Amino acid sequence: GENVEQHPSTLSVQEGDSAVIKCTYSDSASNYFPWYKQELGKRPQLIIDIRSNVGEKKDQRIAVTLNKTAKHFSLHITETQPEDSAVYFCAASFKGGGADGLTFGKGTHLIIQP
Amino acid sequence: EAQVTQNPRYLITVTGKKLTVTCSQNMNHEYMSWYRQDPGLGLRQIYYSMNVEVTDKGDVPEGYKVSRKEKRNFPLILESPSPNQTSLYFCASSLGLRADTQYFGPGTRLTVL
Repeated sequence: GENVEQHPSTLSVQEGDSAVIKCTYSDSASNYFPWYKQELGKRPQLIIDIRSNVGEKKDQRIAVTLNKTAKHFSLHITETQPEDSAVYFCAASFKGGGADGLTFGKGTHLIIQP
Repeated sequence: EAQVTQNPRYLITVTGKKLTVTCSQNMNHEYMSWYRQDPGLGLRQIYYSMNVEVTDKGDVPEGYKVSRKEKRNFPLILESPSPNQTSLYFCASSLGLRADTQYFGPGTRLTVL
């Protein structure tokens, strides 16, 4: 099955600086890579995703890059703000019997220092 | 309002006592899924379903059962719960058959004594 490694487990950055979270995956057939944000006590919510036919995707301060050859993808947050503090999860799809499953990384706790 | 609901939100039970956590979505989504979340382990997929009567195992299916008799409902069944199933459980749904934007329910905090 798929295996997703996520680093770092904790990331502390100064407000206004950039944050980068990296993930690697094992299954070369994976073709969908979402990122979820989970605030304390809340449910995970999708913030950005990328499919294997593109290398980069941006949405305002958030971007995701994908390197299929190296089997890694990264989340980039620029001009970080206090509300960016949360746990972030990456995930990669795997082929099931009929539909895709998702394997998640173990999460990165992002702390924005004022 | 489009949403995924789960019940109960909190449950404390004892080893071996069968329980069911319900999940329902009102968005006419094809795909539904169950995850468990444990500290340091992230989210792990238990089972998922692409349609009525079609289910597949995720990464950690042992000790769990699911059913999909109606499109909107996807209950999670623990026939004989054990303490290692103490966890936070999330149900999720998405529109397509491919892994797509998943909408998560509010979570169910289960404690097995």
